[in-house]
Amino acid sequence: QSALTQPASVSGSPGQSITISCTGGNSDIGYYNYVSWYQQHPGKAPKIIISDVSNRPPGVSSRFSGSKSGNTASLTISGLQAEDEAIYYCASYAGSFIVLIFGGGTKLSVL
Amino acid sequence: EVQLVESGGGLVQPGGSLRLSCAASGFTVTNYYMHWVRQSPREGLVWVSRINSPGRGDYADSVNGRFTVSRDTARNMLFLQMNSLRVEDTAVYFCARGLYDRHLELWGQGVLVTVSS
Repeated sequence: QSALTQPASVSGSPGQSITISCTGGNSDIGYYNYVSWYQQHPGKAPKIIISDVSNRPPGVSSRFSGSKSGNTASLTISGLQAEDEAIYYCASYAGSFIVLIFGGGTKLSVL
Repeated sequence: EVQLVESGGGLVQPGGSLRLSCAASGFTVTNYYMHWVRQSPREGLVWVSRINSPGRGDYADSVNGRFTVSRDTARNMLFLQMNSLRVEDTAVYFCARGLYDRHLELWGQGVLVTVSS
């Protein structure tokens, strides 16, 4: 099973909105509504920001939102802030043997 | 406080073994699906293994037959026994608490494993 496909980098200015895409296949994103997104700052562990395609865990800013269409999931960050600068990873449940697959990560730069 | 703390990483020669530990606090590991995920510049984030609530372990193809996941109920800890280590196993290893296999809701800080001669 190949990793999910994400753009290597995206950028935006403070206050703007950006969207990061995550493309999988019919046996992962396209089949299950178990897409999650993680934010990772340098030297830190990943932190979940979206679960089950579009749910925000407690304490996560409402500026983060998720969606899915077919085999592609998306993360949108609105009202960009400097502290949003990080690497964002998508992941999807992929069945009982492969369990979880991750995207390659997208580096967000807030200019 | 709900947290996970890994230990046991280090430098090991190819073919060697290492046992990673993950101490949980604030919750009981047997009530959750507990996962190991590794991260390296070469591979990015990769799911490695999971032990579910009943105690069944599953593994990524790349480590199947070499790694074993286990847990200690009394000490509330998770373990990853890594045998026949290869250079390509070099990575930061994270333990994580899962909501089943759907997503990883709590992560440890990670521990570095370096396989090199």
